[in-house]
This record gives sequence, C-alpha cells and structure tokens, in this order.
Amino acid sequence: DGGITQSPKYLFRKEGQNVTLSCEQNLNHDAMYWYRQDPGQGLRLIYYSQIVNDFQKGDIAEGYSVSREKKESFPLTVTSAQKNPTAFYLCASSRDDIFGSIEQFFGPGTRLTVL
Amino acid sequence: GQQLNQSPQSMFIQEGEDVSMNCTSSSIFNTWLWYKQDPGEGPVLLIALYKAGELTSNGRLTAQFGITRKDSFLNISASIPSDVGIYFCAGQGYGGSQGNLIFGKGTKLSVKP
Repeated sequence: DGGITQSPKYLFRKEGQNVTLSCEQNLNHDAMYWYRQDPGQGLRLIYYSQIVNDFQKGDIAEGYSVSREKKESFPLTVTSAQKNPTAFYLCASSRDDIFGSIEQFFGPGTRLTVL
Repeated sequence: GQQLNQSPQSMFIQEGEDVSMNCTSSSIFNTWLWYKQDPGEGPVLLIALYKAGELTSNGRLTAQFGITRKDSFLNISASIPSDVGIYFCAGQGYGGSQGNLIFGKGTKLSVKP
C-alpha cells in the first residue's frame, strides 16, 4: 500500500533533549513537508523540501532542523532550542511541487510531549 | 500575510441534517482544498478546487470555489455519525511559494445520532 508513515505515534521527551521524528513515504512524491498543529489551531509549516538535498524554512522553523538525504525520507529534529515543543506533528508529501501540484497527503502524525 | 477565516468554529447537528461551512481569504487564492481530520490522525484530502466557480462533489460532499476567488464553501448532505471530525480548508494564493498551503483553523463537527 502506498502512503506516508510517521513514527513513533507518541513520543515523550525530557526538557533539554533533542528528539527526531521519522517520516517516510512510498508515493514517489518529490515534495515533503512538516507541520505543527496546536489545539484549536490550523497547521503551521515548519520546513519543506522540494527535492533531495534541498529544503526551505517555513513559518516557524526556529528550534527545528531537517534533512533530505533520500527522496522517501524527511526526518524532523526538535532541538532543545524549541521553547514550546509539545504539539502534534504532521508530515505531508505532494506529487510534483515544481509543476504546481499542491495536493498534499498527510501521515498519521506524531504527538510529542515534553515532560 | 495571507490569512484564511473559516466558519463556523464548531457545529452541533442532528444526524440526517445538511451542513455548510466556509472559508474566506483576505486576498485572491488560486486553489482551494478541503480536508477532514479525525481525532489523533492526519488530515485526509476530500476535495480539490482549481477554477473560480468550480463546483465539485465527492459522495455526500460538495465544495465550490467562489467567483471572487476569495472564498470557498463545503456542504455535507444527510450527515451521519462518521462525519464527526474537524474540517479544514487550505489554499494557495497567487505569489505564494509553490506547494505552500495556508490552512484555516478548522470547523469542528459534532453529530448527534
């Protein structure tokens, strides 16, 4: 089955620790995205990548880092510099960003809680 | 920057009733998308709209891209309990980075059996 997987589903972290969230897709999509969702809020873009080995900051990139070494993988690291990291994190991908396809397909999400 | 206003914030309806929700933008959008999110899950794409005036259906769901390019609505007919969830509109404005969507804050739908 084609789709986007995120792991783990729930993640607990102590304050001051870095943590990496996994996102894998087998849809052969070029573009991948990370969003943060807080209760009662829309999705806010953290980082996105249109092609392997390239990525761009979104609206709330401070305290986060990403890498795109493979087309199918786009891990997100939440660093200790992120002041309020507790949130629901969503990964998405889209077919071919450079030709204008903006339909994004989402993974199941990872809920991060900082203790 | 571009913003989306989605209304209503929440709705409580009886099973079988029709539902209508909408999104408005402060500027022109060239694409509108509608998603549904179940609790603790990722959003699922329901309908995509690419042309002003376009009316598209997906089962009991119907969405329209407003003529002014600044709004869109989603209708659900004959609601059922599994329609419960949060519905998000999303759009891309002219001049926006390719692939970057702006999301509304969602309409939370509750259905009484």
